[in-house]
Amino acid sequence: KQEVTQIPAALSVPEGENLVLNCSFTDSAIYNLQWFRQDPGKGLTSLLLIQSSQREQTSGRLNASLDKSSGRSTLYIAASQPGDSATYLCAVDTQGAQKLVFGQGTRLTINP
Amino acid sequence: EAQVTQNPRYLITVTGKKLTVTCSQNMNHEYMSWYRQDPGLGLRQIYYSMNVEVTDKGDVPEGYKVSRKEKRNFPLILESPSPNQTSLYFCASSLGGQPTYEQYFGPGTRLTVT
Repeated sequence: KQEVTQIPAALSVPEGENLVLNCSFTDSAIYNLQWFRQDPGKGLTSLLLIQSSQREQTSGRLNASLDKSSGRSTLYIAASQPGDSATYLCAVDTQGAQKLVFGQGTRLTINP
Repeated sequence: EAQVTQNPRYLITVTGKKLTVTCSQNMNHEYMSWYRQDPGLGLRQIYYSMNVEVTDKGDVPEGYKVSRKEKRNFPLILESPSPNQTSLYFCASSLGGQPTYEQYFGPGTRLTVT
């Protein structure tokens, strides 16, 4: 059974720092991996989707990498801002039918 | 505006009283899913649908029913709600197929069963 782990559970950094969030999964047979952002009391917003054949995806200050063989993904946030404060979730699709398995998330706080 | 809508956003009910949470998307997406989010357990998939009249169980389907009679709607039905179904529920949709596409999530429905 696929399990997804995100470490750390919470992270607090000063504004302007570059940071890395980690995601690991136990079964490397995945179709894709997605990173989401969740603001308190709100739904999830998709940030980046990496197909199984890809190594990384970039969107603005965000860069996500995927290493299927080691079961790891990282989300790199450059020049962090207070508006980046949120919970970041990673999820893997193991069946190609949008059956996502989520990690528990990393709660990120950017201090002004 | 492309979006997934859910109603109601908040619901307090009593054990055993049937309820339906509606979900609708305006993006002509094939795939739709329901998730529940609980502290310490994260997001878990309840049911998903790959097209009209095609549904399948997720990881935690017990106590829930779904139907997909139209492409845009995917209601979640709790025939006899119990307190352990108190949770935050999310509906999601995506274009589906291969390569797989990102999922769009609704704003959530906070359900309390007393």
